[in-house]
Amino acid sequence: GAVVSQHPSRVICKSGTSVKIECRSLDFQATTMFWYRQFPKQSLMLMATSNEGSKATYEQGVEKDKFLINHASLTLSTLTVTSAHPEDSSFYICSARDWREGDQPQHFGDGTRLSIL
Amino acid sequence: AQSVTQLDSHVSVSEGTPVLLRCNYSSSYSPSLFWYVQHPNKGLQLLLKYTSAATLVKGINGFEAEFKKSETSFHLTKPSAHMSDAAEYFCVVSQNSGGSNYKLTFGKGTLLTVNP
Repeated sequence: GAVVSQHPSRVICKSGTSVKIECRSLDFQATTMFWYRQFPKQSLMLMATSNEGSKATYEQGVEKDKFLINHASLTLSTLTVTSAHPEDSSFYICSARDWREGDQPQHFGDGTRLSIL
Repeated sequence: AQSVTQLDSHVSVSEGTPVLLRCNYSSSYSPSLFWYVQHPNKGLQLLLKYTSAATLVKGINGFEAEFKKSETSFHLTKPSAHMSDAAEYFCVVSQNSGGSNYKLTFGKGTLLTVNP
């Protein structure tokens, strides 16, 4: 089945640091990838939709200058949390659609636990 | 617009007994519906999907769900719970947001606890 690899799985860093999270589709090409944020004991909130070769589409209320998304290839999207602060601490999850599957489910990475001290 | 309501935030069952996780949806068009499972500190794993084919959908690990248009429901069931089923379950509806982009709308999740 389709596999999405997310790296790193956990990051602990100081306030003010920028953190990059990678999302890779290992065995399929993903023209579209999605970035979600999940707070403890809550559901997933879509942050942005990332399309290969074009600018990401951000959901209302998500700061695009804070959360930089790059989707430079059909198998890799990155999320950079710039100048991270404690309130950015969260569980970030990416997902990808296999373009061959049409209206089919997204495949999720294992998530990145970000802790800002 | 679309929405998903998971009727129970927490369900507790004994091992070997049936599982029922309830989900109701609202959608302007014929929806695609999914159930995902999330174990602690992990991403989401697809259990099963409904995409306008058979209304009774069988998934992995013995789970199944029935799409009932008249009731706008997509409840998840399993005949016999296993300890390893303990996790968070999300009911999800898919919407075409333009072009080839399909946005997912998540329910708030149901935590399944399985007691020995």
